[in-house]
Amino acid sequence: NAGVTQTPKFQVLKTGQSMTLQCAQDMNHEYMSWYRQDPGMGLRLIHYSVGAGITDQGEVPNGYNVSRSTTEDFPLRLLSAAPSQTSVYFCASSYSETSGGVGEETQYFGPGTRLLVL
Amino acid sequence: GEDVEQSLFLSVREGDSSVINCTYTDSSSTYLYWYKQEPGAGLQLLTYIFSNMDMKQDQRLTVLLNKKDKHLSLRIADTQTGDSAIYFCAERVYSSASKIIFGSGTRLSIRP
Repeated sequence: NAGVTQTPKFQVLKTGQSMTLQCAQDMNHEYMSWYRQDPGMGLRLIHYSVGAGITDQGEVPNGYNVSRSTTEDFPLRLLSAAPSQTSVYFCASSYSETSGGVGEETQYFGPGTRLLVL
Repeated sequence: GEDVEQSLFLSVREGDSSVINCTYTDSSSTYLYWYKQEPGAGLQLLTYIFSNMDMKQDQRLTVLLNKKDKHLSLRIADTQTGDSAIYFCAERVYSSASKIIFGSGTRLSIRP
């Protein structure tokens, strides 16, 4: 298994440009999420998906779109990049189940995409 | 509301135990997590605890959960230089299976 892969690793954009950050997982996880991490802050949830065809907004969704046409892929689109979107972006996938009152969790993060918007 | 808080810094002598604390607000949390992030790297899930447990031990790591006080702690026994990192506490909120709220991270530094 490759786990969670993200491309590109680094990207520089000019204000107003659009781009798509790619995320893929090969573990057949239903749940996938996008986070951004800014200096001195924890991760903030942008969008998430509980399965193919289902997406929902997180804490900071403005300026971003997502789609989930397959279980494997969860791309994040920046519609018109702004300097405030300079950040490190992490994609994650997870699986959890509860059996007999005991919870089991499997979760993986991608390596991140560093985005600079000028 | 949903909020996770933790102190920003902790300095520990090598070989001592480190205790990183976290408080959360959502009483319906299902899972609570501890992540480790080393410089320039992504997040690594260290351990987690299900909300019906009080304690979980995994080698040098001990997680304690006090649901009444909404307090979570991570104890690292025999702290080593390789434990230097930022540690994030996080909770999975009940209202959404895929929504995890993170604290801002505790930077653990190790003194010789």
